Amino acid sequence: GQNIDQPTEMTATEGAIVQINCTYQTSGFNGLFWYQQHAGEAPTFLSYNVLDGLEEKGRFSSFLSRSKGYSYLLLKELQMKDSASYLCAVRDSNYQLIWGAGTKLIIKP
Amino acid sequence: DTAVSQTPKYLVTQMGNDKSIKCEQNLGHDTMYWYKQDSKKFLKIMFSYNNKELIINETVPNRFSPKSPDKAHLNLHINSLELGDSAVYFCASSQGWGEGGTETQYFGPGTRLLVL
Repeated sequence: GQNIDQPTEMTATEGAIVQINCTYQTSGFNGLFWYQQHAGEAPTFLSYNVLDGLEEKGRFSSFLSRSKGYSYLLLKELQMKDSASYLCAVRDSNYQLIWGAGTKLIIKP
Repeated sequence: DTAVSQTPKYLVTQMGNDKSIKCEQNLGHDTMYWYKQDSKKFLKIMFSYNNKELIINETVPNRFSPKSPDKAHLNLHINSLELGDSAVYFCASSQGWGEGGTETQYFGPGTRLLVL
């Protein structure tokens, strides 16, 4: 079967750095996405990786290793507004998105 | 100028009723989706349409029937509602499908369905 694993919950301090990991086992691979979802709101697109390496976008970076079936989302200079769930999703061989259950990130002052 | 809109935002109804949720996107996308997000926050794909044709039809009860009158709309009709149908339903859209598609999905605000 297809599987996406992420930690259920993480806690970090305002101003610090946090890394959210995602491991996947899917039938084929055609890209990995990270989405942010604030409580009671819709998911919004953060990043997309299809080749190995690091993609940087402001305070957020996303890393991919296809050989290891592994990705992480790195958030720097954490702000209170970064408190949200972060969803990892992989596009499989049928170009269908397989979603992880999300990691709830709690930021403390 | 909302990109993906859904109505209603909240829906409270009795078991056994039939209800519909509407979705519209003004992004010019040709692929639309319905997702169910349960209390554990897990997003589960239900249906996907590309150019008004059904391309994903996951294992959902046949009480759920999607309808796409045109590329900009994808509605969801639910018959004989059950307690377990209570969840948040998200509509989403993207441009293209398969190898040529970008697959970045844009989500609507969600419809919070509560079945009593």
